[in-house]
Amino acid sequence: GAVVSQHPSWVICKSGTSVKIECRSLDFQATTMFWYRQFPKQSLMLMATSNEGSKATYEQGVEKDKFLINHASLTLSTLTVTSAHPEDSSFYICSARPPGVEGYGYTFGSGTRLTVV
Amino acid sequence: AQSVAQPEDQVNVAEGNPLTVKCTYSVSGNPYLFWYVQYPNRGLQFLLKYITGDNLVKGSYGFEAEFNKSQTSFHLKKPSALVSDSALYFCAVRDNTGGFKTIFGAGTRLFVKA
Repeated sequence: GAVVSQHPSWVICKSGTSVKIECRSLDFQATTMFWYRQFPKQSLMLMATSNEGSKATYEQGVEKDKFLINHASLTLSTLTVTSAHPEDSSFYICSARPPGVEGYGYTFGSGTRLTVV
Repeated sequence: AQSVAQPEDQVNVAEGNPLTVKCTYSVSGNPYLFWYVQYPNRGLQFLLKYITGDNLVKGSYGFEAEFNKSQTSFHLKKPSALVSDSALYFCAVRDNTGGFKTIFGAGTRLFVKA
């Protein structure tokens, strides 16, 4: 089945630095990937839709200059948290869309826990 | 706009008893509905989905869900709960209007007591 790999699984960084999170579709090509953010004890909130070869579509309220998304190939999307602050600490999850199959939507990465100190 | 509601923040059930985690939805058009489970510090695991067909959908780990169009509900059920079922459960609806976004409910924490 479709597998999505997310790396790293956890990261600690200092305030003001940038962190890159990778999302890879291992056995299929994904023209679209989604990035979610989850605060403690809360649901996942969609941050942006990543489109291969074009600009990402950000949800309302998400700072595109802070959360840089690059979908340079059909198997890789990256989320870079720039100039990270403690309030950016969260659990980030990506999802990739296998092509052409009804009922897709259930291929998620294992998530990245970001802690900004 | 699509939306999903999980009215219970937490559900407590004794091991061996049946469990139900509630979910209601609002969509324009035919809904694509999903249930996911999340263990601490882990990503989401797919449990089951409803696209079309039988209203009773069977999924992983003995879970099932019943689609009720008149009540716009998609409750998750299991006949006999296990302690290992304790986790966070999310109901979700897929946006079929072209964006293919998945909208999640707030989640329901299930505690199964031995």
